[in-house]
Amino acid sequence: GAGVSQSPSNKVTEKGKDVELRCDPISGHTALYWYRQSLGQGLEFLIYFQGNSAPDKSGLPSDRFSAERTGGSVSTLTIQRTQQEDSAVYLCASSQPPLDEQYFGPGTRLTVT
Amino acid sequence: AQRVTQPEKLLSVFKGAPVELKCNYSYSGSPELFWYVQYSRQRLQLLLRHISRESIKGFTADLNKGETSFHLKKPFAQEEDSAMYYCALEDSGNTPLVFGKGTRLSVIA
Repeated sequence: GAGVSQSPSNKVTEKGKDVELRCDPISGHTALYWYRQSLGQGLEFLIYFQGNSAPDKSGLPSDRFSAERTGGSVSTLTIQRTQQEDSAVYLCASSQPPLDEQYFGPGTRLTVT
Repeated sequence: AQRVTQPEKLLSVFKGAPVELKCNYSYSGSPELFWYVQYSRQRLQLLLRHISRESIKGFTADLNKGETSFHLKKPFAQEEDSAMYYCALEDSGNTPLVFGKGTRLSVIA
């Protein structure tokens, strides 16, 4: 079956603009995660959705970042008023409890100029 | 706070030589530890996890709770092992992973 997909694969935006990044998890996976991969910083957790529970937003770096998951499937990560430090690869992963292996998407490379 | 430390950013070894990628963690409970690998132009994927105690692609990792380590080892490195390796910790099932900053392994022919 299809793996986790993300779009766009690359996004170049000007500082101050808003961007939306999309994640399609593996069908049936109830857990969905967003991570950010920055040069020299490794992978940082951003936000986590599990079923109908309230999302864990503890990793979001500022209130410019938000995410939603509609219908328990597709998720959108929104970054408002982008800054140059937001430049990174944004990774989405999904898993299906009780199996906790996370399957990663190919990522969206965001460049803020 | 949970933390995963991978002290080496880059590790270069010759083909056929043993390789050890270091990982130390700080966590007060009983974590689950993982190694993820990212080959060039491929997505991040699970290599192995400590509870399965499997050997994947010749790699093994033993959880040492006394030393809070989960080092990744392979007796004979192959060129196709060249990749970015991340050690990760999970404090309970299906929760976000805490990653180390990664080690780039370069196997030289």
